[in-house]
Parts: sequence; structure tokens; C-alpha cells
Amino acid sequence: DGGITQSPKYLFRKEGQNVTLSCEQNLNHDAMYWYRQDPGQGLRLIYYSQIVNDFQKGDIAEGYSVSREKKESFPLTVTSAQKNPTAFYLCASSRDTLSSYEQYFGPGTRLTVT
Amino acid sequence: GENVEQHPSTLSVQEGDSAVIKCTYSDSASNYFPWYKQELGKGPQLIIDIRSNVGEKKDQRIAVTLNKTAKHFSLHITETQPEDSAVYFCAARQTGTASKLTFGTGTRLQVTL
Repeated sequence: DGGITQSPKYLFRKEGQNVTLSCEQNLNHDAMYWYRQDPGQGLRLIYYSQIVNDFQKGDIAEGYSVSREKKESFPLTVTSAQKNPTAFYLCASSRDTLSSYEQYFGPGTRLTVT
Repeated sequence: GENVEQHPSTLSVQEGDSAVIKCTYSDSASNYFPWYKQELGKGPQLIIDIRSNVGEKKDQRIAVTLNKTAKHFSLHITETQPEDSAVYFCAARQTGTASKLTFGTGTRLQVTL
């Protein structure tokens, strides 16, 4: 059963703690992405990776970090430096070739920081 | 960078009627325009997309049109059903930027019986 998995579905943390969100895909896609979604807003790009061991900042990278050690995995760490970490986090992947750009999303992780 | 505006923010239609959601983009170099449907608490689902070399694309009750000159594209849903109720997002991809997408702010569609 191919797809993108994100875990956990809900995550609760105390302010000042770092937290890592998991994203795994078995679609054999080269590119992976992390988005943040706030109520009533569109999706905003945090980080993306086109290939293993390489990643680039998106529009709102401050307070976040990522790694891409394996093609299948792209974990996101929300650090204590992120001022408003409570949000719905979405991971996506794509083939990212000259002819194929479709992005497919995981089910998301809702992070609540108090 | 790219900027995508989406209207309306909410849309209520009766079952069986048509729904139209419109988006405009700023970068004339953008070449790919997907539409996503998001149900409550779930990830967005790609429902249809269009590339800049095509003016219209249809898939059963869903169609998308693109006007490159005016830099706008629209989603058309015909014969709406209650299960069409969701939030719909448009997006645009700029040429040469990996597959980075810029999203609109979403339209909440409510299909009433």
C-alpha cells in the first residue's frame, strides 16, 4: 500500500521543548516537502529536499530544522526558537522531474504547544 | 516570488448546482496549476491539475480552465453532491523552482441538501 505516512496524528509539547515530526514515503519519490497550515490560511512551505543529503529553506524556515539521510524519510524538528509552533504540519512528496510535478500529501500532524 | 489569490473564501450551493472557484497568480512564468481538496483533519488530496500549454481539462464532474493572458485559473464542479463539501486550494508552480508550490488561502465549499 503506497503512500505517505506521518506520525503521530496529534502531538502535545510544553513550550521550550524541541519536537520531531516523522514523515515517511514509499512512493520512490525524490523530492519531499514540509508545509505548515494555520486556520483559515493556505499552506506555507517550511523546507524542501530534492535529493538525499540536500535540502533548502522554504518561505518560513526560521525555528525549524530538517534532515534527509534516506530517500524515504524527511523528519522535521520544531525547535524552541519557533515562536508560534502550534499548527497543522503537512508532509508531501513528488517525483520532481521535468514532466512530473504532482505533489502528494500525507495525513498531517497536529502539534499543540502550551 | 509568486503570489496566488483565491476567491471566494466561502461558497454555499445547493445540491445539484454548479460551483466555481477562481484563482489569480502573479508570475507569468508559472507553468503548473493543481487543485487540492481537503476534508476536515486530513491532508490535501490532488483532484485535478493543468499545465500552461493547455487551456482546459475535465475529469467527470470537475473541470479546470486556465487563462494565461489574464493569469487566472478556475475550478468548476458540476452537479454538486454533499460529499463535495470541503476546503479547496489552488496552487501555482514557478518554472525552475523544483516543484515548489505557492498556495491560495482556500475556499470552504458547503453543499446543502
